[in-house]
Amino acid sequence: QQPVQSPQAVILREGEDAVINCSSSKALYSVHWYRQKHGEAPVFLMILLKGGEQKGHDKISASFNEKKQQSSLYLTASQLSYSGTYFCGTSRGDKLIFGTGTRLQVFP
Amino acid sequence: GAGVSQSPSNKVTEKGKDVELRCDPISGHTALYWYRQSLGQGLEFLIYFQGNSAPDKSGLPSDRFSAERTGGSVSTLTIQRTQQEDSAVYLCASSSGLAGANEQFFGPGTRLTVL
Repeated sequence: QQPVQSPQAVILREGEDAVINCSSSKALYSVHWYRQKHGEAPVFLMILLKGGEQKGHDKISASFNEKKQQSSLYLTASQLSYSGTYFCGTSRGDKLIFGTGTRLQVFP
Repeated sequence: GAGVSQSPSNKVTEKGKDVELRCDPISGHTALYWYRQSLGQGLEFLIYFQGNSAPDKSGLPSDRFSAERTGGSVSTLTIQRTQQEDSAVYLCASSSGLAGANEQFFGPGTRLTVL
């Protein structure tokens, strides 16, 4: 039931782009994305709802393919502050189940 | 403050002792969640409260774990007869409305160490 994320880790130079993927074996109602910096609590980035509605930050973009139960998070022109572990969370209408995480490191 | 608060921030206990972890959600939030995060690992779902509905306890790892939410607000996670494998950061989160459609706000967590 836990969604699968890929890749497990990404290393970038400032200004480079990255895509993080999240897939589920079950039909989904929504996909959430959170970022967690070392020693801190996760922070909300975006929600993508079945039907196309999105809620989140303007500078973050993501897609949700309902038929394939997949979501992708797009990080463009990465900054040092993007470093952290990214978690997707999937919901079938009730509780949120988080994926295994993708560790992103951005270097100058 | 306006955010989710948790106490204590750190707890060190001996194997076999019971511990209680507290979570104060954002006022007015109907949904409350407990997660466990072991070192370097992901967020493991434990339990979910939504309004006055019966909680979803499907993530609790054993009957040593229990949680309650009083008056639709404060929640307490209790671990009985703690084991070393219970050592982790326990995170609480709250959200307004339907869980799957709303942002979760996380507390700072309680770091539990079982010696």
